Amino acid sequence: SQTIHQWPATLVQPVGSPLSLECTVEGTSNPNLYWYRQAAGRGLQLLFYSVGIGQISSEVPQNLSASRPQDRQFILSSKKLLLSDSGFYLCAWRATGNTEAFFGQGTRLTVV
Amino acid sequence: AQKVTQAQTEISVVEKEDVTLDCVYETRDTTYYLFWYKQPPSGELVFLIRRNSFDEQNEISGRYSWNFQKSTSSFNFTITASQVVDSAVYFCALSEATGNQFYFGTGTSLTVIP
Repeated sequence: SQTIHQWPATLVQPVGSPLSLECTVEGTSNPNLYWYRQAAGRGLQLLFYSVGIGQISSEVPQNLSASRPQDRQFILSSKKLLLSDSGFYLCAWRATGNTEAFFGQGTRLTVV
Repeated sequence: AQKVTQAQTEISVVEKEDVTLDCVYETRDTTYYLFWYKQPPSGELVFLIRRNSFDEQNEISGRYSWNFQKSTSSFNFTITASQVVDSAVYFCALSEATGNQFYFGTGTSLTVIP
């Protein structure tokens, strides 16, 4: 069966520090991968999605970036965090063919 | 343009009451998919149901039921005999056959009071 792993679960980082959040999927090949951010008490904002290795689509201009170095690995990064980057980050995968998406357990990031 | 509207921001019901969560969507595609997700306090989004645009048959799963009406562009979710464990944020989402993205509504926070 397919599983998605996202880590770390919680993170407290100072302003200006770098960020790396990792997401991996097991049990499937060539998934679509997504990064979402959820600010406190608000909806889901799509940050990036990828349909294949090295293919990244950005939805929101910001100081975050994403990479997909391997088929089932999706990384969210920042060189210098801002206070506004605080939030709940969710990774998701989806098989090709417009099926439902499955989400990781999320990373709660607090920038101080 | 694609859009999903969940007009109810917060709902509170007493345990055992029925509750309906509304979802209205906009799309120009003739083939699309609608979803409901549950987000409990732990944060992870849990997939509940997917509906294809060409299948308007309503669905029932235990205490959960979904009413899909293309004429009103709505995909409403009803919980019968609500329980405290149903307390969560519920998201409706849309995906089009021509794209790879999910469009989420802003969510409805449901609180079931014992």
